[in-house]
Amino acid sequence: GAGVSQSPRYKVTKRGQDVALRCDPISGHVSLYWYRQALGQGPEFLTYFNYEAQQDKSGLPNDRFSAERPEGSISTLTIQRTEQRDSAMYRCASSRDSNEKLFFGSGTQLSVL
Amino acid sequence: GQSLEQPSEVTAVEGAIVQINCTYQTSGFYGLSWYQQHDGGAPTFLSYNALDGLEETGRFSSFLSRSDSYGYLLLQELQMKDSASYFCVAGSGNTPLVFGKGTRLSVIA
Repeated sequence: GAGVSQSPRYKVTKRGQDVALRCDPISGHVSLYWYRQALGQGPEFLTYFNYEAQQDKSGLPNDRFSAERPEGSISTLTIQRTEQRDSAMYRCASSRDSNEKLFFGSGTQLSVL
Repeated sequence: GQSLEQPSEVTAVEGAIVQINCTYQTSGFYGLSWYQQHDGGAPTFLSYNALDGLEETGRFSSFLSRSDSYGYLLLQELQMKDSASYFCVAGSGNTPLVFGKGTRLSVIA
């Protein structure tokens, strides 16, 4: 596509539910990043992929968070048993290759009630 | 790991010049990027320095000194629309792109 697409744009869920956030990167981009951003803060790194391989998941807060990119294109970030502290903007970005400039999607605003 | 330091807030007058500094500590460093983010929007790429010196793109310039682990973003002829948050990002070969905490620039009339 023309840009990075994320869905849903907004997600409201109840504590304890699982959520899946989707990211469709720019066609042909090798690298895909997931960030979390709290209001007034910088994007916080979660994980990233080159093609389908997860290169680094050191930023995932705990084992309730996981991500995959099975065919090297679309990626899903899954949060199991959501907690209120998971509420944030989740941003996906892609780049032509590792450490090149990032193109961000509009994000998914997650609210856990 | 990586750490980046930049001022949390800067205020400048419309039409003036403002400089936003960034110091970094990272192993395997190879370049410094800058991103702009308006309230409610997504971060967008502004500039990248792989080598020491100044890179100019219109009203924006970015500088890097590897020996000092220091860089800055220079914004000239400030406009109200430049009010936004600005992030420096240190890239390295072994670690992902990590953002600084950001500098909130307020441009006043």
